[in-house]
Amino acid sequence: GAVVSQHPSRVICKSGTSVKIECRSLDFQATTMFWYRQFPKQSLMLMATSNEGSKATYEQGVEKDKFLINHASLTLSTLTVTSAHPEDSSFYICSASPLAGGGYADTQYFGPGTRLTVL
Amino acid sequence: KQEVTQIPAALSVPEGENLVLNCSFTDSAIYNLQWFRQDPGKGLTSLLLIQSSQREQTSGRLNASLDKSSGRSTLYIAASQPGDSATYLCAVTASGYSTLTFGKGTMLLVSP
Repeated sequence: GAVVSQHPSRVICKSGTSVKIECRSLDFQATTMFWYRQFPKQSLMLMATSNEGSKATYEQGVEKDKFLINHASLTLSTLTVTSAHPEDSSFYICSASPLAGGGYADTQYFGPGTRLTVL
Repeated sequence: KQEVTQIPAALSVPEGENLVLNCSFTDSAIYNLQWFRQDPGKGLTSLLLIQSSQREQTSGRLNASLDKSSGRSTLYIAASQPGDSATYLCAVTASGYSTLTFGKGTMLLVSP
């Protein structure tokens, strides 16, 4: 149980294009989903927290107009990287916390990640 | 601002050795601490979660300890195997509804 999927697993795009990454909770409903970015040999950095049906909360320094997050249902959140540039190339990982149960600090399930390469 | 440091950054050991990975955090007012495993190009798998009131957790060959007052945690891996090769990440939270703050990880290589 508690499986989180991401699609695509790997994407290569040209500079200036937009890319959408999907994060799905397959066997539970997620009230809260998180998006992280990880550069090589660096720690995971939280980009934003999204709650179903409301606007995402972005961390300081993350451009909300560049990284569009939509959490339209309890099982799906999407991250759209708009007008991507080579510096956006990174490993993007989502996580989801179930609807029921304690705080999300105890129960956060991670997706397998999406490798984005912008040429 | 909470900062999490992991030492060493990389570790290479022969199969069968017992080893210790270290994690330190600057703000001791944590809610819990987790150790994760990340395989190359993959997501995270939670290994052990220690609540702030606990001193240690064990799962199979893994044992994690927590000394909240000194801001330290260790992950002990007994009788290491090549399949243990991965990056191990430590993360802390400040409260039940706060997000995870990660260290940079320790890249472990266990040679046959």
